[in-house]
Amino acid sequence: QVQLVQSGGGVVQPGGSLRLSCAASGFTFSTSGMHWVRQAPGKGLEWVTFIRSDGITKYYADSVEGRFTISRDNSKNTLDLQMNSVRPEDTAIYYCVPGDFWGGHFDSWGQGTLVTVSS
Amino acid sequence: DIQMTQSPSSLSASVGDRVTITCRASQNINTYLNWYKQKPGEAPKLLIYAASALQSGVPSRFSGSGSGTTFRLTVSSLQPDDFATYYCQQSYHTPPTFGQGTKVEI
Repeated sequence: QVQLVQSGGGVVQPGGSLRLSCAASGFTFSTSGMHWVRQAPGKGLEWVTFIRSDGITKYYADSVEGRFTISRDNSKNTLDLQMNSVRPEDTAIYYCVPGDFWGGHFDSWGQGTLVTVSS
Repeated sequence: DIQMTQSPSSLSASVGDRVTITCRASQNINTYLNWYKQKPGEAPKLLIYAASALQSGVPSRFSGSGSGTTFRLTVSSLQPDDFATYYCQQSYHTPPTFGQGTKVEI
């Protein structure tokens, strides 16, 4: 079965950096697109970023463009999110989710990792 | 980005009730509409995809309908485990976007 084990959350000061990771198993990671979706405390779901299976094509939400970088290692079945210049509004639970960028649905989710941006 | 608007934002219901949640898209999204259920402290769970297809393992009391800009999620007979927040999500226009959620309370 699909397993997505996330790590790397925590507390970071505004302007700081944090790296999230997601270890995938139970499906063919190397041919799957991957997303990060976040949820601010008590709020709804917000798509953050996507990376295609080739690791080259990437898309970002306007709110994180230029600050966050998504990457993957298909030899290790891992997905990363490098978060730089973080802001208080980046405080959220971050989920890694396999799926297509267009036309698909999210049928498996990581357990989520909490990022808190606070001084 | 496509705006997804759910109504109501919350509702109170009892076990055994029939409940319907509506999701409206700001543009035509054909049938590229998915529904998720989320309980506190848990990741979202896919219930319905492509507007009306029931995800494997999801009880048949859940059903979805609609196309174009208006969609509905119906629970035919609400069970205790169904008290949760429900989200719609479109995947026809990029980026994917979610509704604001509908909280179903006792």
